[in-house]
Amino acid sequence: GAVVSQHPSWVICKSGTSVKIECRSLDFQATTMFWYRQFPKQSLMLMATSNEGSKATYEQGVEKDKFLINHASLTLSTLTVTSAHPEDSSFYICSARGVLAGGPYEQYFGPGTRLTVT
Amino acid sequence: GEDVEQSLFLSVREGDSSVINCTYTDSSSTYLYWYKQEPGAGLQLLTYIFSNMDMKQDQRLTVLLNKKDKHLSLRIADTQTGDSAIYFCAESMGGSQGNLIFGKGTKLSVKP
Repeated sequence: GAVVSQHPSWVICKSGTSVKIECRSLDFQATTMFWYRQFPKQSLMLMATSNEGSKATYEQGVEKDKFLINHASLTLSTLTVTSAHPEDSSFYICSARGVLAGGPYEQYFGPGTRLTVT
Repeated sequence: GEDVEQSLFLSVREGDSSVINCTYTDSSSTYLYWYKQEPGAGLQLLTYIFSNMDMKQDQRLTVLLNKKDKHLSLRIADTQTGDSAIYFCAESMGGSQGNLIFGKGTKLSVKP
């Protein structure tokens, strides 16, 4: 199956600093990548959708200046949480959509990044 | 509107069958998915079903779709302790390229 990696898996940072999270599709080209946020015991909340080479589309209520998304290539997307605050502490999950040889488009998820802002 | 509902908890004994249920509201959903999330991990795609299918079986997993009632279920046969996880139902309305709408997840606990 398809593999999506995220780095780092866990990060602790001080309030006011910025944190960058990388999402890579390892064995396929992702036409679209998604960033989700998951609060404890809750479902995934879609933050934004990005296509390679174009600006990300943010969901309502998500601050695009705070959550910067760059989709530089068909295998890499980054999420930068700028001027992080404790309320930004959460589990961030990326997913990549692409097609494996002979298969339909499917969405594959990374293992997630736990961000703790102190 | 778009809404996916699941019961939050299910507890079964090892070796029994587990049935996780899901209801959705948008009749135009074309694909319906089941994902598994283990503690501290991302989501793993278990299986999906096209809206023109009633049933799909893959080893221990059986997916049943009732389009009339907008009801989806996932049956896990011979449930093992390793199946303990949160299971998310999701619908996609724009074909396989549509954005996914997730339910809140059902936490499955398997007792030995």
